[in-house]
Amino acid sequence: DAGVIQSPRHEVTEMGQEVTLRCKPISGHDYLFWYRQTMMRGLELLIYFNNNVPIDDSGMPEDRFSAKMPNASFSTLKIQPSEPRDSAVYFCASSSSPGQGRRGYTFGSGTRLTVV
Amino acid sequence: AQSVTQLGSHVSVSEGALVLLRCNYSSSVPPYLFWYVQYPNQGLQLLLKYTSAATLVKGINGFEAEFKKSETSFHLTKPSAHMSDAAEYFCAVTKQTGANNLFFGTGTRLTVIP
Repeated sequence: DAGVIQSPRHEVTEMGQEVTLRCKPISGHDYLFWYRQTMMRGLELLIYFNNNVPIDDSGMPEDRFSAKMPNASFSTLKIQPSEPRDSAVYFCASSSSPGQGRRGYTFGSGTRLTVV
Repeated sequence: AQSVTQLGSHVSVSEGALVLLRCNYSSSVPPYLFWYVQYPNQGLQLLLKYTSAATLVKGINGFEAEFKKSETSFHLTKPSAHMSDAAEYFCAVTKQTGANNLFFGTGTRLTVIP
């Protein structure tokens, strides 16, 4: 298995631009998570999906952030408009049920976003 | 609610010395506990996990951790540090039943001194 695949690996964009981050979970995994990692706040859970349905988006910072999962093999995290404070590494992770809690998650390599 | 506290944001050890990274958890229900390692510019990799079987858990790269309910701890150890162990280590907790969100600690950066 290729693991969780994220693209792009690096993204540099200007303030005000729309940014779309992409994630392909491991085939057969029915949970997908988006995390953000910064020096100041550590790892923050933004949103997670189960069977393509958003379950908890309480971690999404504000309305500028949105996430979708149109099918079991693809998810996007969109920021519109982007701001410099959105600069961070964004990780996608997936897991499978039943007992997905005990398996932990498999993480992608992350997307390093820089907003200038 | 579940949470973990990692004591010490930075730990330095000499090569060959004992590695001890501390993690204390808080959970109102029986937890599952995890240690993840993050090498520079990479994602998080599962190191080991406690899932209510054996309390002493062995992971990859010679690491192990012991679940101590009385101390609400899940400290990570390795008898002899190697230069390649330099990384950031995250402790995480989730519930054994119900919603299974992983709650991460703030991480401990391990430096190995030659």
